[in-house]
Amino acid sequence: GQQLNQSPQSMFIQEGEDVSMNCTSSSIFNTWLWYKQDPGEGPVLLIALYKAGELTSNGRLTAQFGITRKDSFLNISASIPSDVGIYFCAGQSNTNAGKSTFGDGTTLTVKP
Amino acid sequence: DAGVIQSPRHEVTEMGQEVTLRCKPISGHNSLFWYRQTMMRGLELLIYFNNNVPIDDSGMPEDRFSAKMPNASFSTLKIQPSEPRDSAVYFCASSLVDWSQPQHFGDGTRLSIL
Repeated sequence: GQQLNQSPQSMFIQEGEDVSMNCTSSSIFNTWLWYKQDPGEGPVLLIALYKAGELTSNGRLTAQFGITRKDSFLNISASIPSDVGIYFCAGQSNTNAGKSTFGDGTTLTVKP
Repeated sequence: DAGVIQSPRHEVTEMGQEVTLRCKPISGHNSLFWYRQTMMRGLELLIYFNNNVPIDDSGMPEDRFSAKMPNASFSTLKIQPSEPRDSAVYFCASSLVDWSQPQHFGDGTRLSIL
């Protein structure tokens, strides 16, 4: 089946630093999604990407859909304490309808 | 706007008991998804409904698990009999049309089977 490799697994950074995380796949996806999960809550959609090469921003967050359609990255600029949480990438493909494949998550800790 | 609503938020029960988890999707959303999240396996899709019809249940672990969607505003996930290895956080999510659109998650049910 389709698998996503998300890295890094965890990050410990200082407030104000920029953050970068990525996901790679052995197969092609038609859609890339990035979610954030806070403790005790469900994942919340941050950014959705639908076209290869697409670069989309949401405030301090920027995500890109890789040209090969097999990867995506998420950048967070000028991190703040409330950025703490687990960030998940998810891929969807036309050949695997109904199943979003999720990465294992990147746990972000921001030190004030 | 109300998001996806799940109940209960927490459930602790003894093995062998029947467990029923409930979900109310966002009004107007046509697709509903049940996921299970564990440390070992991450987020796993259990079943996907579209227009109240189960489309893909290949993620349902075994016959002890069943899901229903009697109408557009309600779904249940039932485990009978429950086992300790079923302990996990179960999420319900909904999307506007079908699987191709972003899913909106509820806050989950944290299930502990003793």
